Amino acid sequence: EADIYQTPRYLVIGTGKKITLECSQTMGHDKMYWYQQDPGMELHLIHYSYGVNSTEKGDLSSESTVSRIRTEHFPLTLESARPSHTSQYLCASSPPGGFNEKLFFGSGTQLSVL
Amino acid sequence: ELKVEQNPLFLSMQEGKNYTIYCNYSTTSDRLYWYRQDPGKSLESLFVLLSNGAVKQEGRLMASLDTKARLSTLHITAAVHDLSATYFCAVDATQGAQKLVFGQGTRLTINP
Repeated sequence: EADIYQTPRYLVIGTGKKITLECSQTMGHDKMYWYQQDPGMELHLIHYSYGVNSTEKGDLSSESTVSRIRTEHFPLTLESARPSHTSQYLCASSPPGGFNEKLFFGSGTQLSVL
Repeated sequence: ELKVEQNPLFLSMQEGKNYTIYCNYSTTSDRLYWYRQDPGKSLESLFVLLSNGAVKQEGRLMASLDTKARLSTLHITAAVHDLSATYFCAVDATQGAQKLVFGQGTRLTINP
């Protein structure tokens, strides 16, 4: 099983603050993803990366940005948090060698913006 | 635009019964995934289905894929309480780029 870690697990923050959600994986996976999930709803892809220095926006428009400077690290940043950003953010990764592998998900960050 | 629809969205059933969750999708794809999510937790991969007619089984769960009908099913046999969770199907219609589109999820409750 892949080890993929997200921190913090929970974050409550005021409007206008800059925040970074951390995601790291230790299995050498080249593909990494960020999904957003509202309670009881489906997941929506907001960012993905196929390797170092590769980042793309997903299907759901998001005001967040991502970076991929190291293979194992894929942080997500919100420059100015707003209440509409309140949601759960799930990071995922999948192994190299093709696109037929399952995604491994982190435990998620539950973000609340007041 | 790819749409993925699950049916039913809510399912309450008794232990020992059988039931099926359906996942329909709107565009051609031969890659379909099933995930389980417990309340407040992350997603756990159950099955990856990669071709028409694929069938996979793990314990009391069995998943199948019919790419011509654009339909996948998740069948539960002799349900037990531990299977209570939300089940998501997800489809990759991007020629294998693995940008998954998820269904709304089926919230399954199994009562003793």
